[in-house]
Amino acid sequence: QSALTQPASVSGSPGQSITISCTGTSSDVGSYNLVSWYQQHPGKAPKLMIYEGRRRPSGVSNRFSGSKSGNTASLTISGLQAEDEADYYCCSYATSGSWVFGGGTKLTVL
Amino acid sequence: QITLKESGPTLVKPTQTLTLTCTFSGFSLSTNGVGVGWIRQPPGKALEWLALIYWDDHKRYSPSLKSRLTITKDTSKNQVVLTLTNMEPVDKATYYCAHRGGHDAFDIWGQGTMVTVSS
Repeated sequence: QSALTQPASVSGSPGQSITISCTGTSSDVGSYNLVSWYQQHPGKAPKLMIYEGRRRPSGVSNRFSGSKSGNTASLTISGLQAEDEADYYCCSYATSGSWVFGGGTKLTVL
Repeated sequence: QITLKESGPTLVKPTQTLTLTCTFSGFSLSTNGVGVGWIRQPPGKALEWLALIYWDDHKRYSPSLKSRLTITKDTSKNQVVLTLTNMEPVDKATYYCAHRGGHDAFDIWGQGTMVTVSS
């Protein structure tokens, strides 16, 4: 299976909103509501930000939201803050019971 | 509080087999719905899912690495072991283990362990 497709980079100013897309296929994103999103700061382990496409774990800011349309999932961060600057990865359950990650998106807060 | 920690060699030679251990606490791998997965990340590159083992001993592997991977669990020791055979320089990466909770996501991660492949 191929990695999910994400933009290499996105940027925004503090207070603005940004959206990161994650495009898969009918064998993964399109077939399951099991997309998760992870935030990774340099040198750190990934942190779960969104699961089941749009649900937030306890403790994650409500500035983070997820959605899906067809084979594309999206992560939106509103009210950008400097601490949001990080790499973001999407991940989807896929047919045959495997999992696939996206290529990652570097978010820069200007 | 759930914690996981990876352990194993930091350096392996080409063609050798890598054996990594994930030691966890705060949950039991005999609890319905629970799983432990392995994910790796080459330096400066993206995350790559490798394998997952479920509470009922079902196992899933990355299709591209399936022939080289084996995942096992020791419930009594709270450990999950991953082996990757025939190591190559391209397998150099930080290897993470992670808890897969009831929501089909990797909700808690270990700190990761860096593995280099060199003769």
